[in-house]
This record gives sequence, C-alpha cells and structure tokens, in this order.
Amino acid sequence: DSGVTQTPKHLITATGQRVTLRCSPRSGDLSVYWYQQSLDQGLQFLIQYYNGEERAKGNILERFSAQQFPDLHSELNLSSLELGDSALYFCASSVAPAGELFFGEGSRLTVL
Amino acid sequence: GIQVEQSPPDLILQEGANSTLRCNFSDSVNNLQWFHQNPWGQLINLFYIPSGTKQNGRLSATTVATERYSLLYISSSQTTDSGVYFCAADPGGYQKVTFGTGTKLQVIP
Repeated sequence: DSGVTQTPKHLITATGQRVTLRCSPRSGDLSVYWYQQSLDQGLQFLIQYYNGEERAKGNILERFSAQQFPDLHSELNLSSLELGDSALYFCASSVAPAGELFFGEGSRLTVL
Repeated sequence: GIQVEQSPPDLILQEGANSTLRCNFSDSVNNLQWFHQNPWGQLINLFYIPSGTKQNGRLSATTVATERYSLLYISSSQTTDSGVYFCAADPGGYQKVTFGTGTKLQVIP
C-alpha cells in the first residue's frame, strides 16, 4: 500500500458525460501528479500541483481540468468524454516539488 | 523536454535466468526512478536512484548520471517478476517527470 488513495477504482460512463476522479496523497506529501495510461501504452503526464499551486503541465486536453484543495487532495475533472479517453488514470504524490513518486492504484475509466 | 528510452521493449525469460534492462535519458536528471507495473496494473516502486548503485533482494539498479543511463538488474527471475518495468526521469525545476516506454517482461516456468 503506497498510501495514495484514488477513487473510484472503476468507472463506466457514456460519451459526452463528465466525471471527477479523486486523489488523496500520502500523509505529509504536498505534491500531486496526474498521469494517463491508455491500453498497453506508457504513462502520459497530465499535470502537477504543489501545495495547491499548479507546478507543471503536460499535454492535458482543454476538456480536462484539475485542482488541488487546501487539504491537499486533488480532483481531475474530465468532460465531454470521448471513446479515446478510456484509460487508467493514475495519481502520484511526493513530499517535495521534485522527489520520489508514490502511485495510487489508479482509476480505470471506460467510455462507451 | 527530456527524452527517455528503454530497452529492450520486450523480454521473455526462463524462470531462474538473469536480465538487464536499460534506461537512457537525453538530459541531466535530478532523480531517476524504476517502477514495476504488475499484471493487475499497480505501479510498484523499485528504486529511487539519481546516481550510484542500490540493491534490494534479487533486484539491483545502477545510475550513471554523467553518461545519462540507468540499468536494472533482475537475478534468478521468478514468474512474479512478469509485468512492465518503467523508468522515470525528473530533470528538476518546473519540468515534468517523464516516463520511458517500458520493458515488458514475461517469465515463463
């Protein structure tokens, strides 16, 4: 158990819908990262927050948004979902802005 | 941004064999991590190794930062070692942590 908690673990929804994925970092970690892994692909960096502020941004679609709240949990919002958004979405956390990453178990999103 | 390449992309081993996985990165890094993604999709931390050598049981890793590569050694492989091995390079500052494309390992009995 890495200490990073992601909910929900599985989610099935329809095209055009909107979903929210939630991540609670390890106790004491201030930085949260979001990654997308499509089927049999590598991990694509979406966005990083540190202590509530956006720190780095990857190729995150405009339909996607994220934030980190004062209690340090983070949410990734995916809207106007398309079939191609089906993927495993991982959250990771670290103590510092740059440091050892610890991953949650992921949220598997299926868009039908 | 930094480029991270892993080799080989696929590897099949007989149980008990040894192997070496390689991770090349195109720029200097503050941090280098190795992960194992098991068949259930979980990402397991193996090593946090910006430089030098570390060992953990049958696994060890070496990062030569000046030459921009890292190696993961697996000895006496077991079927439970199957999965995908990723390295991730952190250039530091405000740059993103970049993952390699992975090495898919299958250990057969």
